[in-house]
Amino acid sequence: QVHLVQSGPEVKKPGASVKVSCKASGYSFTTYGISWVRQAPGQGLEWMGWISVYNGNTKYAQKLQGRVTMTTDTSTSTAYMELRSLISDDTAMYYCARSEAFHDFWGQGTLVTVSS
Amino acid sequence: DIVMTQSPDSLAVSLGERATINCKSSQSVLYSSNNKKYLAWYQQKPGQPPKLLIYWASTRESGVPDRFSGSGSGTDFTLTISSLQAEDVAVYYCQQYYSNPITFGQGTRLEIK
Repeated sequence: QVHLVQSGPEVKKPGASVKVSCKASGYSFTTYGISWVRQAPGQGLEWMGWISVYNGNTKYAQKLQGRVTMTTDTSTSTAYMELRSLISDDTAMYYCARSEAFHDFWGQGTLVTVSS
Repeated sequence: DIVMTQSPDSLAVSLGERATINCKSSQSVLYSSNNKKYLAWYQQKPGQPPKLLIYWASTRESGVPDRFSGSGSGTDFTLTISSLQAEDVAVYYCQQYYSNPITFGQGTRLEIK
């Protein structure tokens, strides 16, 4: 069965960077892309971007361009999302999801807290 | 960007009754070349990630109870729960994947009356 297992919670200071991992199992990793979606406390879902695991092509949300980088390591079936120059508004639960169009499997989420 | 607007923001329905959630897109999400509507519905319970319920506007994901159904045109969509069960209490989101950026509705909170 398909599983996406994310790394643990992070606490970061403003201006720092965070890198969240998402390890996939139960399917051919290169057959699907990976999207990242975040959810601020008590708020709705915000799409951050998508990476093709097959060729590394990426599409990022305009508001995060220049601060976010999505990568994959096919040798370990792991996707990564790095967010730089963190601000308090980046405090959120970050999810990875298997995706070619809709998101059919989701990771459990990684809480990133940005606080001085 | 395509703006997705859900209504209502919250909804209280009695057990066994029908629940209807609406979603409107600011432009059509119907791709004419394949006649597919690029619209999905997700259910999110507290402390859990979203769960895919419906894709292509009306195709039920494997394992999703048949009391959940989706319908709609190019811009107006509906998620219907035919007979509300206690475990259906959640927030429901629509999502368009027709164009980037992918966008979600603001969510509809469904409760038991």
